[in-house]
Amino acid sequence: QVQLQESGPGLVKPSQTLSLTCTVSGISINSGGYYWSWLRQLPGKGPEWIGYFYYSGSTYYSPSLKSRASISADKSKNQFSLRLTSVTAADTAVYYCASPLRWTNWYFDLWGRGTLVTVSS
Amino acid sequence: QSVLMQPPSVSAAPGQRVIISCSGSSSNIGNHYVAWYQQVPGTAPKLLIYDNNKRPSGIPDRFSGSKSGTSATLVITGLQTGDEADYYCETWDTSLSTGGIFGTGTKVTVL
Repeated sequence: QVQLQESGPGLVKPSQTLSLTCTVSGISINSGGYYWSWLRQLPGKGPEWIGYFYYSGSTYYSPSLKSRASISADKSKNQFSLRLTSVTAADTAVYYCASPLRWTNWYFDLWGRGTLVTVSS
Repeated sequence: QSVLMQPPSVSAAPGQRVIISCSGSSSNIGNHYVAWYQQVPGTAPKLLIYDNNKRPSGIPDRFSGSKSGTSATLVITGLQTGDEADYYCETWDTSLSTGGIFGTGTKVTVL
């Protein structure tokens, strides 16, 4: 059974960098066909896709967050991570790691439980 | 503000049918497949429909999806109390050059 679990600080100060890690169990992130993704959900809003990492090393980001977001992976730990720089209160959200159906990019059928990140001084 | 518009809420009694619409444009729904998700408050979204009308394994056939032009529809039949949740449509948008575009969401209330 594949499981994803987010971890990281729940509180980040404005202008600092948000860093989260997703630990994947049940499958290797080095498997082809899985686009290891980060999404977030602002309070009272629908989910927002941030970007993904593919096992080949390629990444792709939402144009609206591309200048601040980066996703990387540590294959030895079966983890992938999100860094979001220069955060503001508008980045306060529940952050999810997720993976779409195999060989698709956007149909997210595997999700972590989500972690709330608050940006506040 | 999302480019995919959904009614804020719909409601029906147990056993009845609800229809949820998702309105977009030619740059998104009009030329791309649509997915639907169910989200119970406090939990992660759950994929219900992909490729407009396909159900992942384990999703009951009470949930069905369709698309016509620049709008998509999710139909839930035989409504159950456990269906009370928020529902989101999702697709790609050519103008925005990105996928993972979610709708504004619809709250389904079981009366």
